[in-house]
Amino acid sequence: GESVGLHLPTLSVQEGDNSIINCAYSNSASDYFIWYKQESGKGPQFIIDIRSNMDKRQGQRVTVLLNKTVKHLSLQIAATQPGDSAVYFCAEITTDSWGKFQFGAGTQVVVTP
Amino acid sequence: GAVVSQHPSRVICKSGTSVKIECRSLDFQATTMFWYRQFPKQSLMLMATSNEGSKATYEQGVEKDKFLINHASLTLSTLTVTSAHPEDSSFYICSARGRVADTQYFGPGTRLTVL
Repeated sequence: GESVGLHLPTLSVQEGDNSIINCAYSNSASDYFIWYKQESGKGPQFIIDIRSNMDKRQGQRVTVLLNKTVKHLSLQIAATQPGDSAVYFCAEITTDSWGKFQFGAGTQVVVTP
Repeated sequence: GAVVSQHPSRVICKSGTSVKIECRSLDFQATTMFWYRQFPKQSLMLMATSNEGSKATYEQGVEKDKFLINHASLTLSTLTVTSAHPEDSSFYICSARGRVADTQYFGPGTRLTVL
């Protein structure tokens, strides 16, 4: 994932618009990826996952795209709602690494009315 | 979905005391549990991986004598912060993984404040 920084990048989105959150991962051997949502003061909540043999997966209002060539992952949220305001993390997992997660730095999504 | 609980949710303690945080998987057996810490505006940093019935594996830079981890059963892991100091103040989060899936399910976190 991206290196941990001292501040979170922020994405400001108007309610009803689509959001795109990006994540660059570091390990070309990573074969499983998950997006988590974390609200203030709470633990991460699973949103959607994707394995490296896929390049797209859709859930309810969310789509994850995986580009292994450039080691890039994105999360698209359709019709963003105020309840989507949170920090979003991508996690990369390498199956032979005991299932340990490597988290990206996170993106703060702020939904404005 | 799988539920993981943590207790306590918040704890304030004096410098030099020890604090125990519990992590429980409520509806599944967790063969592996992970402990993370998170500072404000930062990502989750893995501290250690604990497998039921065996010693925890600590990440580089994490003092195993300071952060004692016990995973005595398939549903419970504990993290004890010994001789806590103000710099140990952080948000501690556990996660649990079952036998089959790679997905980790996260607890709600414990906010530790050391005065």
